[in-house]
Amino acid sequence: DQQVKQNSPSLSVQEGRISILNCDYTNSMFDYFLWYKKYPAEGPTFLISISSIKDKNEDGRFTVFLNKSAKHLSLHIVPSQPGDSAVYFCAASIIQGAQKLVFGQGTRLTINP
Amino acid sequence: GAVVSQHPSRVICKSGTSVKIECRSLDFQATTMFWYRQFPKKSLMLMATSNEGSKATYEQGVEKDKFLINHASLTLSTLTVTSAHPEDSSFYICSAREGPTGTQYFGPGTRLTVL
Repeated sequence: DQQVKQNSPSLSVQEGRISILNCDYTNSMFDYFLWYKKYPAEGPTFLISISSIKDKNEDGRFTVFLNKSAKHLSLHIVPSQPGDSAVYFCAASIIQGAQKLVFGQGTRLTINP
Repeated sequence: GAVVSQHPSRVICKSGTSVKIECRSLDFQATTMFWYRQFPKKSLMLMATSNEGSKATYEQGVEKDKFLINHASLTLSTLTVTSAHPEDSSFYICSAREGPTGTQYFGPGTRLTVL
């Protein structure tokens, strides 16, 4: 049972344009969501998070949007830069308790010059 | 951001031997650490949750006698793969949670190859 889904395995965007990565979840108990960036043979790097009491969180070029009714979140990167090319994972957790992260399958983002 | 280190970064061992992987939170105290495994082109799979001073909680399907976890201090957790076999070859990643916010910071990972 895939509780967190990233339906696009890959995305290609022109440098300078906006990259939009999407993530859907099924467990309504999730109340904390995170995006991580990962390069091959490295651990994930934390990018940005959002709690369920908000619908938007912004940090520099990264903005995460949360639509609780649709159980959907998205990560916007603008403007996209070549160094943004990586695999992006969304993750969800429940704040109370163990706070285990459930990861999506990842989306490989390629920024073209 | 918080820094988590892992050692070794890469290990090759013979089938039947045991391998220990260390995970350290360098600039914060982590009451909870997590161990993940990633197969090629797959997502991260949580193996176990490690709480300082208590027994680890293993996810369904993960053999606790094969993957021994020790969390002896607030900055160190270890994963020992006992009697390793080729099917244990994988990328093992640890994470540490800083505070109650839910954000986990990940180590750089350890590539284990069992011959």
